Amino acid sequence: GDSVTQMEGPVTLSEEAFLTINCTYTATGYPSLFWYVQYPGEGLQLLLKATKADDKGSNKGFEATYRKETTSFHLEKGSVQVSDSAVYFCALSWDQKLVFGQGTRLTINP
Amino acid sequence: SAVISQKPSRDICQRGTSLTIQCQVDSQVTMMFWYRQQPGQSLTLIATANQGSEATYESGFVIDKFPISRPNLTFSTLTVSNMSPEDSSIYLCSVKPGTDRETQYFGPGTRLLVL
Repeated sequence: GDSVTQMEGPVTLSEEAFLTINCTYTATGYPSLFWYVQYPGEGLQLLLKATKADDKGSNKGFEATYRKETTSFHLEKGSVQVSDSAVYFCALSWDQKLVFGQGTRLTINP
Repeated sequence: SAVISQKPSRDICQRGTSLTIQCQVDSQVTMMFWYRQQPGQSLTLIATANQGSEATYESGFVIDKFPISRPNLTFSTLTVSNMSPEDSSIYLCSVKPGTDRETQYFGPGTRLLVL
């Protein structure tokens, strides 16, 4: 079945550092791809999405590009802030359902 | 998008009891989903709840343990029955608004601790 693999965490960075969280997927078709973020004590929020190859999703300074040739959807941000500390989930949409990666915990130190 | 609320936000329960979690949406949606997030883990889909039909359960989840109701297009409940400490998790509902066939929006979750 379809699956999502994320870079293992936890990831700890200093404020203003560059962030990459790797995400690769396995799918039989052409799924839509998502990044969700879960701040401490909260539910999941949609961060960004891309629905077809070469689409770039962006929001709040975060970006991810749908790469069909490498089956990847890596999350990037040029300069992280302490408020970006959260758990980030990569996901794909398949057969009306979401399949999630294992999540990556990100901590940003001032 | 959609605004989703869940009740209760958290609860502590004794083993052997049952808890019903409510999910309310601010607009009519066809598809609602229930997920479980065990401590430190990712999300696992429990079932899909469509109004007017029986819920569809994923492998490893059964109706007797997780009965679901979907009486209308803005509301659903999930019951966690005969609880054990292994049921301690965050339970989240999500919806797929009709305007976007792919994206799911999540409620704030219900944090359940079973003693």
